[in-house]
Amino acid sequence: DAGVTQSPTHLIKTRGQQVTLRCSPKSGHDTVSWYQQALGQGPQFIFQYYEEEERQRGNFPDRFSGHQFPNYSSELNVNALLLGDSALYLCASSGSDEQFFGPGTRLTVL
Amino acid sequence: GESVGLHLPTLSVQEGDNSIINCAYSNSASDYFIWYKQESGKGPQFIIDIRSNMDKRQGQRVTVLLNKTVKHLSLQIAATQPGDSAVYFCAENKNRRQAGTALIFGKGTTLSVSS
Repeated sequence: DAGVTQSPTHLIKTRGQQVTLRCSPKSGHDTVSWYQQALGQGPQFIFQYYEEEERQRGNFPDRFSGHQFPNYSSELNVNALLLGDSALYLCASSGSDEQFFGPGTRLTVL
Repeated sequence: GESVGLHLPTLSVQEGDNSIINCAYSNSASDYFIWYKQESGKGPQFIIDIRSNMDKRQGQRVTVLLNKTVKHLSLQIAATQPGDSAVYFCAENKNRRQAGTALIFGKGTTLSVSS
């Protein structure tokens, strides 16, 4: 049984560019959450998707957007990248209980 | 404000000792708490959880204690091993009944185990 998978593993972008990160949830899970983890910090909640709709959102600007597909996989899009967007982006999936995290995508903005 | 914090950023122990990692939370409405372990370059790994109607829960070599009176959470690791070296986060979920509600994480405690 595959756990949560994310792609790509690493990504380097320049300021002003746009990026799309992808996540496949654990089998049987229908809810996907995205978190941003800056170096040395705990993960910060970005938003959560359920039934292809954004159900909850954290304190992130509109440059951060997402999507959930009918197969429950999800994408995180970030527009107009800033240096401060450099971080580990984590995807977590859940069914009815605890959230399981993927390995993350390391985004570096130059 | 609402936050989940940890008392110590680092903890160093000898192999075989018991480790205790502490966490304080401020939101009395929180009804579900989770401890995660994060190794370098990996995502957080679920260790153990506890609901607000419980005071204690035990897993394999780990015990979580919840003191709602003082809003304190602790993770106890028995017979700590070098493989336990990692960053440990406590996380708070305000409404577990809504599956997958946002988790609020603290900054983490780095546990170093020397042999």
